[in-house]
Amino acid sequence: EIQLQESGPGLVKPSQSLSLTCSVTGYTITSGYDWSWIRKFPGNKMEWMGYISYSGSTNYNPSLKSRISITRDTSKNQFFLQLNSVTTEDTATYYCARGGYYDGYYGLFDYWGQGVMVTVSS
Amino acid sequence: DIQMTQSPASLSASLDEIVTITCQASLDIGNWLAWYQQKPGKSPQLLIYGATSLADGVPSRFSGSRSGTQYSLKISKLQVEDTGIYYCLQHYSAPYTFGAGTKLELK
Repeated sequence: EIQLQESGPGLVKPSQSLSLTCSVTGYTITSGYDWSWIRKFPGNKMEWMGYISYSGSTNYNPSLKSRISITRDTSKNQFFLQLNSVTTEDTATYYCARGGYYDGYYGLFDYWGQGVMVTVSS
Repeated sequence: DIQMTQSPASLSASLDEIVTITCQASLDIGNWLAWYQQKPGKSPQLLIYGATSLADGVPSRFSGSRSGTQYSLKISKLQVEDTGIYYCLQHYSAPYTFGAGTKLELK
């Protein structure tokens, strides 16, 4: 069974960097698919932040492009989110998810982590 | 970016009632549209992919349809366990974008 699990600090100070880890079990992230970070803001808005592909290429939401970095450690089957220069507007629940492939449609998120709530506050 | 306009924002319906939620895409996204259900404290669950195909394990009372750039999710007979927030997602082109969500409650 494929499982994703986010981890990281729940509180980050403004202007600092937010760093999260997604640990994947049941599937090797270099075998296929894209591996995304998605966040849900208070008030329920959802935002796709970006992904790292199985080959290591990345694709970021232009709204975040100057602040975001997604990397991976293939030896640990983990991928990471770093978001720089955070503000209170980055307070959200952060999810990692797999971009699955169904009947020719790829990129839709089929497996998700349980989410980690991150508050940006001094 | 492709905008997904979802309506209604909230909905209150009775048991066994038919419920319909819609998403309007700002561009032609073909069938690259998925629907999700999210319950409090849980991650979103895939309901529909390819605009009309039911994901594994999803009850048959859920269905998806498309008319041009308008997409609909229909629940044929609302059950207690169907409450939650529903989102559409376009994954036709990055940045992938979600609808604003529909909060479905029981009347």
